Amino acid sequence: EAGVAQSPRYKIIEKRQSVAFWCNPISGHATLYWYQQILGQGPKLLIQFQNNGVVDDSQLPKDRFSAERLKGVDSTLKIQPAKLEDSAVYLCASSLDYVEPQYFGPGTRLLVL
Amino acid sequence: DAKTTQPPSMDCAEGRAANLPCNHSTISGNEYVYWYRQIHSQGPQYIIHGLKNNETNEMASLIITEDRKSSTLILPHATLRDTAVYYCIVSGVGMRFGAGTRLTVKP
Repeated sequence: EAGVAQSPRYKIIEKRQSVAFWCNPISGHATLYWYQQILGQGPKLLIQFQNNGVVDDSQLPKDRFSAERLKGVDSTLKIQPAKLEDSAVYLCASSLDYVEPQYFGPGTRLLVL
Repeated sequence: DAKTTQPPSMDCAEGRAANLPCNHSTISGNEYVYWYRQIHSQGPQYIIHGLKNNETNEMASLIITEDRKSSTLILPHATLRDTAVYYCIVSGVGMRFGAGTRLTVKP
């Protein structure tokens, strides 16, 4: 079974630029999550989708971050404009349902200069 | 979501059992206990989860107290490759990771 795919793996941008990350979850997984992990900290949930609807986006900085999951499969996370403090690893995870275990992708490492 | 408390770090000798504790005193009746681990530079890896009964799989055992206010993850024969940060999470909807326990397995 293929795992969660993410791209790109690494990205370097300057502050105030925009950036987008892509996630392809495990086939058949209804729930998709985006996390931000700053160095030395645990992952922080940004947004949770159930199929193509948003279940939890309480920790998403909505003035600069946006996410969508069209057709309930792939998802994109966008940052516009980026700030220095957005430098982090962005992790995507998926699960069969929200009470089932999550399976994580390798993450996208973002550096904002 | 219930909050969890874990020790920041632990050491374990290679080949011995590693017992990682977690307190979740505010857990509610329908919240599961999940354990994940994260090896440096990789995404978190699911280990095991449970509701009220003890659970065992090929990776580990999960012991949940009768009042469900705490649990222990047991790695029966720790190896150097088990060195990682271990996260205990309780969740109904949504996941809130804390800082976890950094387990170091020493030769």
